[in-house]
Amino acid sequence: QSALTQPRSVSGSPGQSVTISCTGTSSDVGGYNYVSWYQQHPGKAPKLMIYDVSKRPSGVPDRFSGSKSGNTASLTISGLQAEDEADYYCCSYAGSSWVFGGGTKLTVL
Amino acid sequence: QITLKESGPTLVKPTQTLTLTCTFSGFSLSTSGVGVGWIRQPPGKALEWLALIYWDDDKRYSPSLKSRLTITKDTSKNQVVLTMTNMDPVDTATYYCAHMIWSIPNAFDIWGQGTMVTVSS
Repeated sequence: QSALTQPRSVSGSPGQSVTISCTGTSSDVGGYNYVSWYQQHPGKAPKLMIYDVSKRPSGVPDRFSGSKSGNTASLTISGLQAEDEADYYCCSYAGSSWVFGGGTKLTVL
Repeated sequence: QITLKESGPTLVKPTQTLTLTCTFSGFSLSTSGVGVGWIRQPPGKALEWLALIYWDDDKRYSPSLKSRLTITKDTSKNQVVLTMTNMDPVDTATYYCAHMIWSIPNAFDIWGQGTMVTVSS
């Protein structure tokens, strides 16, 4: 069970949109519609932003959206704001276990 | 309001067994569809899922760490305990416990603040 593959870093200017990819296999991302995304600010615990590939928990801005195609899931953040600067992790159910991605650092320029 | 808090030693020696406790409030681990999981994060590195226990005592473990992990629950105390044997410096990490519920399946919706564990002689 290998970690899901994410880009190490992405960046964007305020107001722009960015997309973070998360690539797995047919045993995890491609096999289940149970991809979740977490935002983590330095020194803080992760926060759930997306679950079930594209659903947002209560309180998460609709600027955050998720999708999936085959073995790759994506998180898109539109209308970038300074407070979006953080690390983002994807996670997938893998049939009786869970696997996280390597994390992506989002820099808001 | 759901809260979780991890507790345990901050320093353990190599080969020792680590015991961590997750004490929670705002939910019961005897309620159908509820689970509590453990996730760790080495300094500057990614999150890694370790284990999860469901309300019905069903237990899941990371395949790569299964031989070293044991997860148990004490419903009356609202606690989940994780033990990890044969600790090594590479196990140095912040350890988090997190809540899972049937309405947000297979995702960890509420996390504890984490507890840092250093493995060193």
